[in-house]
Amino acid sequence: DTAVSQTPKYLVTQMGNDKSIKCEQNLGHDTMYWYKQDSKKFLKIMFSYNNKELIINETVPNRFSPKSPDKAHLNLHINSLELGDSAVYFCASSQDLTGGEQFFGPGTRLTVL
Amino acid sequence: GEDVEQSLFLSVREGDSSVINCTYTDSSSTYLYWYKQEPGAGLQLLTYIFSNMDMKQDQRLTVLLNKKDKHLSLRIADTQTGDSAIYFCASVTGSSNTGKLIFGQGTTLQVKP
Repeated sequence: DTAVSQTPKYLVTQMGNDKSIKCEQNLGHDTMYWYKQDSKKFLKIMFSYNNKELIINETVPNRFSPKSPDKAHLNLHINSLELGDSAVYFCASSQDLTGGEQFFGPGTRLTVL
Repeated sequence: GEDVEQSLFLSVREGDSSVINCTYTDSSSTYLYWYKQEPGAGLQLLTYIFSNMDMKQDQRLTVLLNKKDKHLSLRIADTQTGDSAIYFCASVTGSSNTGKLIFGQGTTLQVKP
């Protein structure tokens, strides 16, 4: 009974391709996030959604398009992949926007060749 | 802007106590967190503290918060080799009401047998 799950765990693709990463949470939380962890392990917020509504778009290129079909899902679609997109992408969720426990998924390691 | 800083590396002997330090700049931070990341794994929420608390203890973990100095620490008692990991400090601010976490760079804890 995984709380926050992501698929796939690993994604290897060529430059210029389009790919998607899926995220689901079964915690009944209202808020979901995407974070990016670079090769130096630095973690930075990309997007947050609350009740399917976009709250944060942290100056992410518009090649990245999140989609939240319902509160339990937040998917990340990336167009025209570039070498610099190689990173680990983490999905997370929290009860709401005020703080408290924020749980992370296992991560998706994206490698762009 | 908001910033969270940590020292990058700490080495201790098994059985000793470890203290990992963190400073943050946003005085309106409402929650402060410690996450653990083992090699190749996701982020595990270890503990978090609300900004009106000075201390929180949970088994071998003790969190101390000095709001005046904007300093957070994580003490691990009786450190074990299984505690070897990267530890991330993070803060969330109530002022923006976005729920986004601002992460430190991570402290790599090395536990020597």
